[in-house]
Amino acid sequence: SQTIHQWPATLVQPVGSPLSLECTVEGTSNPNLYWYRQAAGRGLQLLFYSVGIGQISSEVPQNLSASRPQDRQFILSSKKLLLSDSGFYLCAWNPQGRNTHNEQFFGPGTRLTVL
Amino acid sequence: RKEVEQDPGPFNVPEGATVAFNCTYSNSASQSFFWYRQDCRKEPKLLMSVYSSGNEDGRFTAQLNRASQYISLLIRDSKLSDSATYLCVVNTGFQKLVFGTGTRLLVSP
Repeated sequence: SQTIHQWPATLVQPVGSPLSLECTVEGTSNPNLYWYRQAAGRGLQLLFYSVGIGQISSEVPQNLSASRPQDRQFILSSKKLLLSDSGFYLCAWNPQGRNTHNEQFFGPGTRLTVL
Repeated sequence: RKEVEQDPGPFNVPEGATVAFNCTYSNSASQSFFWYRQDCRKEPKLLMSVYSSGNEDGRFTAQLNRASQYISLLIRDSKLSDSATYLCVVNTGFQKLVFGTGTRLLVSP
């Protein structure tokens, strides 16, 4: 069965510091991968998605970036965090091709607080 | 107008009650629809997918009305463990899911 991992689970970082969040998927190959952010009291906002290694689509311009160095690894980064980057960061995946309805499955998330 | 709108609640119901949530969406080209459940400080988990007019899974029934652009979720015989936030989600096109802000349900003894 497929499993999605995210780490760290919780992170407290000062303003202006760098960020690296990692997501890995097991039990599948060539998945679509997604990064979302959920701010307090708000809905999930799609940040990036990837349909393959090195292929990144950005949904919202901001000081975050994403990379997919390996098939089942998705990384969210920032060079300098802002207070507004605080939130719950969720990685999601779904299989390519067969899933035309686009159900997505989420990892446990990273709760980021920027002080 | 938001792409997906839900009543934030909370809906406070006793155990055993039947409760229904509605959700409206603005993109008439939306292809598929989902309900996710999110517990406090946890990730969303897929509850039901709605591809045609609706479907049923045990105590849960989801219905879709394309003409009026709304989706509903009915929960029968509510359990304490049903307390959570229910997210209405719409597939607006390739790789794009749009999430509502959720409806909070509190089931009391």
